[in-house]
Amino acid sequence: KNQVEQSPQSLIILEGKNCTLQCNYTVSPFSNLRWYKQDTGRGPVSLTIMTFSENTKSNGRYTATLDADTKQSSLHITASQLSDSASYICVVSGGGSYIPTFGRGTSLIVHP
Amino acid sequence: SAVISQKPSRDICQRGTSLTIQCQVDSQVTMMFWYRQQPGQSLTLIATANQGSEATYESGFVIDKFPISRPNLTFSTLTVSNMSPEDSSIYLCSVLGSNEKLFFGSGTQLSVL
Repeated sequence: KNQVEQSPQSLIILEGKNCTLQCNYTVSPFSNLRWYKQDTGRGPVSLTIMTFSENTKSNGRYTATLDADTKQSSLHITASQLSDSASYICVVSGGGSYIPTFGRGTSLIVHP
Repeated sequence: SAVISQKPSRDICQRGTSLTIQCQVDSQVTMMFWYRQQPGQSLTLIATANQGSEATYESGFVIDKFPISRPNLTFSTLTVSNMSPEDSSIYLCSVLGSNEKLFFGSGTQLSVL
């Protein structure tokens, strides 16, 4: 069964600090992995997308890594800002279906 | 990229009524998806909307409760019928663009009293 597990479920950090979110998946065969940011009450917005051959991809203060061998990904947020408070969702495509598999998300709260 | 206009952005509805959510895409797309996101949960696929044919529903979702229209390649509607408080959720439409990139509408936050 295709699954995507994210940790931690929630995280509270102080403004300016760094943090790392984790994503483990069992989707096989693997096609791509995406990280989305979802503000409360809004639709998800894409941060990064990585294919099998990519290990790292950055988007401003967001850096995603992918280890396709261990089926793990991480999203590192540098110098957090209050506007980073959101849910971060890991989405993996593949597994013989065009329908992607969603993680439950990590809820990040950045305190001033 | 694809830009999706979804409306309404939010609504408060009475039990037993129905609400139709619309999604307009700025380009022609083959695959359009409707998701539900209950509080604190991840996105759950309701159905895949196909142009010119009936939508394909996932397990646990039926056409009588969530009728979908897809009259052309840029537009789709999802109706939440005979609503109950359990239907309170965020509803999202999504399209699959080039390079398998998923684009989402801004969501419809539905509260049923």
